[in-house]
Amino acid sequence: DQQVKQNSPSLSVQEGRISILNCDYTNSMFDYFLWYKKYPAEGPTFLISISSIKDKNEDGRFTVFLNKSAKHLSLHIVPSQPGDSAVYFCAVYMNRDDKIIFGKGTRLHILP
Amino acid sequence: SQTIHQWPATLVQPVGSPLSLECTVEGTSNPNLYWYRQAAGRGLQLLFYSVGIGQISSEVPQNLSASRPQDRQFILSSKKLLLSDSGFYLCAWSVVPLSYTFGSGTRLTVV
Repeated sequence: DQQVKQNSPSLSVQEGRISILNCDYTNSMFDYFLWYKKYPAEGPTFLISISSIKDKNEDGRFTVFLNKSAKHLSLHIVPSQPGDSAVYFCAVYMNRDDKIIFGKGTRLHILP
Repeated sequence: SQTIHQWPATLVQPVGSPLSLECTVEGTSNPNLYWYRQAAGRGLQLLFYSVGIGQISSEVPQNLSASRPQDRQFILSSKKLLLSDSGFYLCAWSVVPLSYTFGSGTRLTVV
């Protein structure tokens, strides 16, 4: 039973354009939503998060949007750069459980 | 500074052999510790987490077990490995809610 769904296993975007990664979740009780970035043979690193009481959070080239009614969040990267090529994991967190649950990830390829 | 060590980086083990992966954290006290596995097509799956010495919670039934003999040491074990145990195993720690730091991982291949 997947609580976090990333339906696109991979995505290719031209350098300089916008990358949009999508994520759906099932439980309206999650308190935070996060994005992690992972390079091959390395551990994931935290990228950006958003509280359930907000609908947008921006940090430099990265913006996360939260649509609670649709139980959907997205990560926008603009402009996309070659170093953005990695696997991006959507994740959810509930204060009560103090655990992060990850999706399956989306592999982003930035094309020159 | 706080660091997390995970070893070995890669491991090839035959089916039926035992497993022991170790994770240690430095520079912090009483962290929450986690074991995750990234298997092909499965994303990052939480296997075990621990909020203190000797306290282990299992998230999924499986062929693996975890132990926390010391505050900053977390061990993942198996008595007999299965082919399906192959994957990339990640240890993580947190002392502040939401703030997870991951180790560099162990690539386990069971042959």
